[in-house]
Amino acid sequence: DQQVKQNSPSLSVQEGRISILNCDYTNSMFDYFLWYKKYPAEGPTFLISISSIKDKNEDGRFTVFLNKSAKHLSLHIVPSQPGDSAVYFCAALYRNAGNMLTFGGGTRLMVKP
Amino acid sequence: DAGVIQSPRHEVTEMGQEVTLRCKPISGHDYLFWYRQTMMRGLELLIYFNNNVPIDDSGMPEDRFSAKMPNASFSTLKIQPSEPRDSAVYFCASRITSVYTDTQYFGPGTRLTVL
Repeated sequence: DQQVKQNSPSLSVQEGRISILNCDYTNSMFDYFLWYKKYPAEGPTFLISISSIKDKNEDGRFTVFLNKSAKHLSLHIVPSQPGDSAVYFCAALYRNAGNMLTFGGGTRLMVKP
Repeated sequence: DAGVIQSPRHEVTEMGQEVTLRCKPISGHDYLFWYRQTMMRGLELLIYFNNNVPIDDSGMPEDRFSAKMPNASFSTLKIQPSEPRDSAVYFCASRITSVYTDTQYFGPGTRLTVL
């Protein structure tokens, strides 16, 4: 049973436009969410996170939105750049139940010049 | 800081051989995690340590897999004997206990191919 799902395996966006990556989760106990970016032959790199007490967190071109009632989070990249082309993973954890991150399957973002 | 260091970056071995993957966490981090990434199962946690003590190894697939952390700066993941289905990318990650963040920092991974 996948507790964290990224239903879009890939996304293609034009440079300068907005990229929206989506993630759904089923475990209502999750209280901390993270987005990681992964380039080929490299490990995942932390991008941005959000606690369940917030509904939005922004860092430069990256904004994460959390809708707890819908158990949905999204990552917005504005404006998208070709260097953003990578695989994006969302991850979730329940802080009181240890430190185990549960990852989604990833979405491959391609930003076209 | 150099980040999480893993070695080797690539390993090709034959079925039945012993494989040892190595990890050096970020200095000062008190948690260490071993993950495996495959096409079929994505990124899955195998085991994690806190202050060198294994806390949860429920993700370790079989007794053929074992992990140790003899000190705060070194951990190994061993597969003995290896099988072709163990072929995957193995990541090590570390984090520090903090009330402000739960971010884990990943190493570059070891790509294991078992022939």
